[in-house]
Amino acid sequence: DVKVTQSSRYLVKRTGEKVFLECVQDMDHENMFWYRQDPGLGLRLIYFSYDVKMKEKGDIPEGYSVSREKKERFSLILESASTNQTSMYLCASSSARRNEQFFGPGTRLTVL
Amino acid sequence: EDQVTQSPEALRLQEGESSSLNCSYTVSGLRGLFWYRQDPGKGPEFLFTLYSAGEEKEKERLKATLTKKESFLHITAPKPEDSATYLCAVKTSGSRLTFGEGTQLTVNP
Repeated sequence: DVKVTQSSRYLVKRTGEKVFLECVQDMDHENMFWYRQDPGLGLRLIYFSYDVKMKEKGDIPEGYSVSREKKERFSLILESASTNQTSMYLCASSSARRNEQFFGPGTRLTVL
Repeated sequence: EDQVTQSPEALRLQEGESSSLNCSYTVSGLRGLFWYRQDPGKGPEFLFTLYSAGEEKEKERLKATLTKKESFLHITAPKPEDSATYLCAVKTSGSRLTFGEGTQLTVNP
């Protein structure tokens, strides 16, 4: 069965902290994605990666960075968390040959 | 710029009352249309992929159809457990998907 896991379901951090969100997929997918989801704004793409050590900016990359050192793992980093980064963060992966993206359970991040 | 619009924003049905959700799109070269189901507080769950006009896919009480400008998700005799937000997304080039904002479906017993 397809499996995408995220390191935390819920996370509470303070303004200015460095935050790491980790995502692991076990499907040998080439592509991995990070989204945030906010009421009224839908799913917005932050960054994606189509290969190890490769990354591309999505629609809202400001304030975020990513790391992909291994094919199965894609990390999202908030260098200095701010309250406007309070959101649901969703990781997804897809095969280079097929187009469906498979999502993890999400991390609800609250920045105080 | 690719655009995806879903309607209605919210839909309330009685159990057994069939209906359809709409996803209209404006894209330059559709390379796939996707339907997802999302339960509150969870990640979207993949349902269907449609590639060409006239194509249909079915799963239990759900049937997805595709025309050149829109897709419909038909729900036949829905049950309360079908309550969720249904998301539509399109792929035009590369690996990215463009998502609509979803239709929140509530099925009352």
